[in-house]
Amino acid sequence: AQSVTQLGSHVSVSEGALVLLRCNYSSSVPPYLFWYVQYPNQGLQLLLKYTTGATLVKGINGFEAEFKKSETSFHLTKPSAHMSDAAEYFCAVKGLDSNYQLIWGAGTKLIIKP
Amino acid sequence: EAGVVQSPRYKIIEKKQPVAFWCNPISGHNTLYWYRQNLGQGPELLIRYENEEAVDDSQLPKDRFSAERLKGVDSTLKIQPAELGDSAVYLCASRREGLTDTQYFGPGTRLTVL
Repeated sequence: AQSVTQLGSHVSVSEGALVLLRCNYSSSVPPYLFWYVQYPNQGLQLLLKYTTGATLVKGINGFEAEFKKSETSFHLTKPSAHMSDAAEYFCAVKGLDSNYQLIWGAGTKLIIKP
Repeated sequence: EAGVVQSPRYKIIEKKQPVAFWCNPISGHNTLYWYRQNLGQGPELLIRYENEEAVDDSQLPKDRFSAERLKGVDSTLKIQPAELGDSAVYLCASRREGLTDTQYFGPGTRLTVL
């Protein structure tokens, strides 16, 4: 069975500081991995995704994530946080045998301190 | 390209009342998902349609929830009667058949049951 664990329900960083949101997954097959962002009172928006190929994936708004198979991780980073990054971030995994169903993490709320 | 449209955005009802949510997916997207998202949690799949066929409704509480996608385009999710525990955000997403499996989300309907 597949699962996703996001460490930390809340992460607080200062504006301009590095953002690191952690995601670990379990999957018996090569996974597709996704990061979505949800701003208050809005739906989820795709930030970036890993399917195959290059393990460092760049997304929108300056975010990137690196797929590390040995660590079963797909952590999300951004070099310099901006106030507009305050939102909730969800990691999701889809295995090739899962009938296109995404398995979601519980989410991490990113708080930006001025 | 227009995004996924959902209505209403907010709904407040008393318990035991019926309620319905509507979703219009992105044009050309044959797969449609309904999710429920409780506060502080990731989305939980309720039902997935491939065109007009419900191919995964295993997590839909069928005693009170129903859904339809009659012409394989827009969809309606209904709850009758609503219970206090149904208060949540109901998200609709759509996907175009392909390799990357990216789901595109609507803004959601926030349901409050009093």
